[in-house]
Amino acid sequence: DAGITQSPRYKITETGRQVTLMCHQTWSHSYMFWYRQDLGHGLRLIYYSAAADITDKGEVPDGYVVSRSKTENFPLTLESATRSQTSVYFCASSLLRGDTEAFFGQGTRLTVV
Amino acid sequence: AQKVTQAQTEISVVEKEDVTLDCVYETRDTTYYLFWYKQPPSGELVFLIRRNSFDEQNEISGRYSWNFQKSTSSFNFTITASQVVDSAIYFCALSAPGSNDYKLSFGAGTTVTVRA
Repeated sequence: DAGITQSPRYKITETGRQVTLMCHQTWSHSYMFWYRQDLGHGLRLIYYSAAADITDKGEVPDGYVVSRSKTENFPLTLESATRSQTSVYFCASSLLRGDTEAFFGQGTRLTVV
Repeated sequence: AQKVTQAQTEISVVEKEDVTLDCVYETRDTTYYLFWYKQPPSGELVFLIRRNSFDEQNEISGRYSWNFQKSTSSFNFTITASQVVDSAIYFCALSAPGSNDYKLSFGAGTTVTVRA
């Protein structure tokens, strides 16, 4: 399917477990992003990537790890999940850096119990 | 540092009323980009508009219109003759170079409820 897809859509995990959220885009966009959405905070940037093998921290990176070995994939890993990481996670991509619109995946609702 | 403020948390209107969503931004950069996104109840984020800092013309797209005023650092969004399908969370966002390296910064969002 064309576009940007996230998996899983829903995930429940236990505190302390490692969790990986997947993101795949078919446009060959250079830039990819991970955001978390929490009530009252809007969307906050966790990590972003300007190209394969180039990643950088966003506003709230603690407790998360990313990698980007291929242009089309940008997985987000929670190394040891905590309840405060319960959130809705969005992956996004854009053709150029920041001055063009970003396209978002459907989101992953993660619950840490 | 850059910041986007959407002071209205929730707005409730009756169908056919107009609704204006406020967005105030802060940035030290002279070149920047402003965006509006819509998040309907289904949860996906839908791009609505992009405006660069050098283009202060207002824009109208159907029932949607945007008022960009650099003098007040505002980029307000108006829905005319609202419909139930306009019920959603609306986010204003800012992208600028400098210390933020063009990363998108979002406001907290305004939840719009349109009642039939």
